[in-house]
Amino acid sequence: EAQVTQNPRYLITVTGKKLTVTCSQNMNHEYMSWYRQDPGLGLRQIYYSMNVEVTDKGDVPEGYKVSRKEKRNFPLILESPSPNQTSLYFCASSLSEGQGGSPLHFGNGTRLTVT
Amino acid sequence: KQEVTQIPAALSVPEGENLVLNCSFTDSAIYNLQWFRQDPGKGLTSLLLIQSSQREQTSGRLNASLDKSSGRSTLYIAASQPGDSATYLCAVSYSNQGGKLIFGQGTELSVKP
Repeated sequence: EAQVTQNPRYLITVTGKKLTVTCSQNMNHEYMSWYRQDPGLGLRQIYYSMNVEVTDKGDVPEGYKVSRKEKRNFPLILESPSPNQTSLYFCASSLSEGQGGSPLHFGNGTRLTVT
Repeated sequence: KQEVTQIPAALSVPEGENLVLNCSFTDSAIYNLQWFRQDPGKGLTSLLLIQSSQREQTSGRLNASLDKSSGRSTLYIAASQPGDSATYLCAVSYSNQGGKLIFGQGTELSVKP
């Protein structure tokens, strides 16, 4: 089944403890991206990657890191999480952003709480 | 500043009614526009993607239109059903910014039986 898989679905952690949220897609998609969704602020893009070894900042990259060493994986790293990073996080992928783009496929989300 | 706005924030209609959801964007130099559906506790599902050169796309009871000159897109849902109840979001990709995507805040739709 074609899908974007995020893990974990739920995560509670403490301030300053490094964590990684994994994202994997099995559709051979070139484009992958991370978003956070907050009440009243909607979905905001954190980072995106147009292809392997190519990453760029979205609108809210502060406090996050990403890497794209393989086409299928795009982990989101929080080196020193803070309470303002408590949010619902989504990973998404699409075949390509070129040629008019293609539909985005989303994972089911990771609900992160930082105390 | 590039912004995407969706009005209304919430909409309640009786089953069977045809309805229109609105999406407006401040910068008309878009690359494409997508409409998504989000069910509570779930990720987003892509409904329709309109490329900048297109004026509309259709899928079943859904029709999305794009008017770049006025900075607007509409999602038309025909013969609404309770199963259509969800939050609908539009997102705009801009040609001069590679893979950046800007979302509206969504319209929460409730279709009453």
